[in-house]
Amino acid sequence: AQSVTQPDIHITVSEGASLELRCNYSYGATPYLFWYVQSPGQGLQLLLKYFSGDTLVQGIKGFEAEFKRSQSSFNLRKPSVHWSDAAEYFCAVGGRNTDKLIFGTGTRLQVFP
Amino acid sequence: EAGVAQSPRYKIIEKRQSVAFWCNPISGHATLYWYQQILGQGPKLLIQFQNNGVVDDSQLPKDRFSAERLKGVDSTLKIQPAKLEDSAVYLCASSLGGIQSYEQYFGPGTRLTVT
Repeated sequence: AQSVTQPDIHITVSEGASLELRCNYSYGATPYLFWYVQSPGQGLQLLLKYFSGDTLVQGIKGFEAEFKRSQSSFNLRKPSVHWSDAAEYFCAVGGRNTDKLIFGTGTRLQVFP
Repeated sequence: EAGVAQSPRYKIIEKRQSVAFWCNPISGHATLYWYQQILGQGPKLLIQFQNNGVVDDSQLPKDRFSAERLKGVDSTLKIQPAKLEDSAVYLCASSLGGIQSYEQYFGPGTRLTVT
């Protein structure tokens, strides 16, 4: 079955601290992987995506993610979090022959000053 | 470039009533999606249009939900009659289509509360 698991429902970090949000996927074919961010009252915005090639991908707002096939993971990282990064983050998986995305349940990030 | 527009932003109705949501995608985007996002969950695809044709409506509860995309531009999602479990945020997204469908642009959503 195709699925995405985000094991952390809620994460709290201090401003300036590093961040890692976990994402594990289950997909029967070569996965295409995505991270979206949703600020309160807003739609989802694409942070970054992985299709193939270099397993470390750079995105907007200073985020990066690393694809690890052996661990079926695509964790999102940021070296130094800003208060404006407080939002909900969704990992999603798709495939080569479909544009249908399967989303995880999200991780809510809270940033303390 | 204007983003995806949705209206209304909020709607409160009683169960068994009807409701409709409207979406105006980004100009030139061939593909349009409606998602349902229940509190505490990720978005779930309800229906996908390519121009004015339905590509995927396998997750749409067709006994009460309907959607159309007139002339391949604007789209309307309707619920009739609503149930308590329909309380959710309904997100509309659009994309250019093809491999670029992965670049989905989302609207702000309509928050529906069914009482």
